[in-house]
Parts: sequence; C-alpha cells; structure tokens
Amino acid sequence: QSVLTQPPSASGTPGQRVTISCSGSSSNVGTNTVNWYQQLPGTAPEFLIYSNNERPSGVPDRFSVSKSGTSASLAISGLQSEDEADYYCASWDDSLNGPVFGGGTKLTVL
Amino acid sequence: QVQLQESGPRLVKPSETLSLTCAVSGDSISGYLWNWLRQPPGKGLEWIGHIFYSGTTNYNPSLKSRVTFSVDKSRNQFSLKLTSVTAADTAVYYCARGRGRAWFDPWGQGTLVTVSS
Repeated sequence: QSVLTQPPSASGTPGQRVTISCSGSSSNVGTNTVNWYQQLPGTAPEFLIYSNNERPSGVPDRFSVSKSGTSASLAISGLQSEDEADYYCASWDDSLNGPVFGGGTKLTVL
Repeated sequence: QVQLQESGPRLVKPSETLSLTCAVSGDSISGYLWNWLRQPPGKGLEWIGHIFYSGTTNYNPSLKSRVTFSVDKSRNQFSLKLTSVTAADTAVYYCARGRGRAWFDPWGQGTLVTVSS
C-alpha cells in the first residue's frame, strides 16, 4: 500500500494529451514538492520533472506538472510511443521524515 | 557525468544478511545524500534510507531495525546491510544520489537480489 495514490494504468493514442494524478495528504503533497520519475521497461527509474516544471536536459517540454492542495498531476501532450513507461510520483513526508512514492501508473500508447 | 553501480551477492538465504555496495564515479561522494531504494518484482518503489557523506543516516522506519548504511570516502562508495532477510526482501535494489527532498538523480542500474534457500 503506497502512501501516495496513483491510478494503476492510463492510456492514449499518439498525439493525444494524457494526465496522471497523484493524491496525497497534508503531510506530504499538501506541503512539499512533488517530483516525477519515468521507468522505461526493464530499466531503472529516471528523474523526469520537478514540481516547478524544471526538467533535466533531454526531457521534452511535452511533459508538465501541476499541483493543487493535496493532489498533483503529470501531463504528457503530443503522446508518443516512446512515452510508454511506468510513471511514479514522489514527495517528502513530514510524518515519516522521508520520501514516499505513489504506486506507479503504467502508461500504454495505443 | 555521475554514474552509480550497485554490486553484491544476487542470492541470499533467509535469515542471513543482504550486503550491497554502490560505487560512485564521475564526482566526489562528498556533499550529497546517498540513497538506497528497492522495487519488488512487479511492484512499486520503496525508499530504504539515505546516508550523508559525513555518515549521518536516516532510515525508513519500516526497515530501521534491520538496516545499516556506511560510507567509504576513500573509495567513493557507500554500502547497505539488511539483516534477517525473508522472501519479502526480494527486490531490485537501487542506489541513487539525493539532490533534494524526494529528488533522486541519477540512479544506478539496479541489482536483483533474491532471498531463497
């Protein structure tokens, strides 16, 4: 049981816009930043995007994030087949005094 | 470019100790937090804890009684020991540099450790 809640799956067709939600509480998402990670099949997770929409070099601006209250979202516009992966949100939890993750969302490009 | 590489036994017997090392190349281990995380097969990510280059640690409360981290600045590496393992500890173990709260970048490639007799 993950501390942050994500839908287990999401899907879209090439070119579409898809959003993935991440729900938490006042001890994590509500008061701390949320980061997102992309895990391509068979590989290690990679940092994807920071809560202020800062992205590592190489990550296209098709990826964007937002946050409101105790929920955050990752949006992917202009969906491409290479975006097919598992996506995880993460946030610091003040009660745990450590980071917590969502259960991950498997994105399928139809 | 910083690179991390996990190493250690891939098979550990129940009740024994799991030991892994993460070698850091491309940058000094000083000045950052260094994390261990794990991912059971087909499941999500779990933070195990972190160690500062000075040796200060912070462990996930769910594992705190069984985990010990150490850092070797001379070898630019850090290590994990997890005692009294069970099948539930079977997972891909990752090391990652901490750049801020819940901000892990980069990650090692991960190593699958199986707990089985």
